[in-house]
Amino acid sequence: ELKVEQNPLFLSMQEEKNYTIYCNYSTTSDRLYWYRQDPGKSLESLFVLLSNGAVKQEGRLMASLDTKARLSTLHITAAVHDLSATYFCAVEMDSSYKLIFGSGTRLLVRP
Amino acid sequence: GAGVSQTPSNKVTEKGKYVELRCDPISGHTALYWYRQSLGQGPEFLIYFQGTGAADDSGLPNDRFFAVRPEGSVSTLKIQRTERGDSAVYLCASSPSPWLTSGGDTDTQYFGPGTRLTVL
Repeated sequence: ELKVEQNPLFLSMQEEKNYTIYCNYSTTSDRLYWYRQDPGKSLESLFVLLSNGAVKQEGRLMASLDTKARLSTLHITAAVHDLSATYFCAVEMDSSYKLIFGSGTRLLVRP
Repeated sequence: GAGVSQTPSNKVTEKGKYVELRCDPISGHTALYWYRQSLGQGPEFLIYFQGTGAADDSGLPNDRFFAVRPEGSVSTLKIQRTERGDSAVYLCASSPSPWLTSGGDTDTQYFGPGTRLTVL
């Protein structure tokens, strides 16, 4: 059974600081997704990572994938308040298009 | 263009009642997914349609849950004899046909706003 674990589950950070969210998964998968969810809203796609070593960047967020370590990271550079949200990683199970989500990391960026 | 839409946005019902939740996918997307999200948790997979057929319904929790997509577009999730434990946000997502893409961002599942179901 594929399990996806994120840490930390909650992160309070100051503006302009850097931090990394980690996503570990238990079985082989070559597709990993990062989503953002604002309170009371649906999920917004951030990144799709499709191969080992993949790195994608958008603004202050950068995501990477190491399929051998079964690890993805979401790095936040010089955080701003607008980044406050819950971030989910999701792993595709057995090329089945079924996504298994982590529990989410709730990020709060303080002034 | 228009995204995934879901109706109703909120549904309050009494224990034991029947409910239907509707999902309108993005036009042209042949793959459709239902997920359920409980408070403070990530979405949990329920069922996946490719066209009109349910390609994978392994996430449906029991036989009170059923979903259809008769014309390969709109889908309805049906819950019979609702229980308080069914209370959650039900999310629908769609994506282009996975067999027509070669990978990349077109594999992304695009989520709707969800239906918040409350069973009293």
